[in-house]
Amino acid sequence: NAGVTQTPKFQVLKTGQSMTLQCAQDMNHNSMYWYRQDPGMGLRLIYYSASEGTTDKGEVPNGYNVSRLNKREFSLRLESAAPSQTSVYFCASSEASGGGKNIQYFGAGTRLSVL
Amino acid sequence: EDQVTQSPEALRLQEGESSSLNCSYTVSGLRGLFWYRQDPGKGPEFLFTLYSAGEEKEKERLKATLTKKESFLHITAPKPEDSATYLCAVQDMKTSYDKVIFGPGTSLSVIP
Repeated sequence: NAGVTQTPKFQVLKTGQSMTLQCAQDMNHNSMYWYRQDPGMGLRLIYYSASEGTTDKGEVPNGYNVSRLNKREFSLRLESAAPSQTSVYFCASSEASGGGKNIQYFGAGTRLSVL
Repeated sequence: EDQVTQSPEALRLQEGESSSLNCSYTVSGLRGLFWYRQDPGKGPEFLFTLYSAGEEKEKERLKATLTKKESFLHITAPKPEDSATYLCAVQDMKTSYDKVIFGPGTSLSVIP
């Protein structure tokens, strides 16, 4: 059972470079999420997608863009990376959408360093 | 504004020494409270959902309880393999989408 798969696992970028973080789930879930996790701050929502073709901003969307390519895949793009975007990024998915009870399943994370 | 706090920030226990972790929350209306376990270098793993005050859930050495203002994760006779960060999260009934607010976590170390 693959669950939620994220690639790459590690990445080092220089300031100003761009990259896309990939996420795919095989649980036929409607909702997908991108979080960042920083020491002492918990998980913070970057973007959310309730279904294919829809995306919404979360708590910290600045500097990021997302694409819900299909029901399985949800990508996160950094157009011009900044040192403040050094973090661990997690993708998650859940069955719930539109206000349902929201148990989320997480990928293993992408550890990103921006120099 | 929705808020989740957890205490203590870190907890060190001897194997077999029972204790509790606290999660305090502020929401307009609680749809659900979630506990997750996170091992180093991995993503959070779902443990429990609690929906209403007075509810309890158990899994092996873990027991989660819920009141109107807080939740406790009780750990009975912990073993070293229980060492992890435990995250609490809440879902507000009044948000327009499936937004879940996570607390900062409690890092638990169980010493043999």
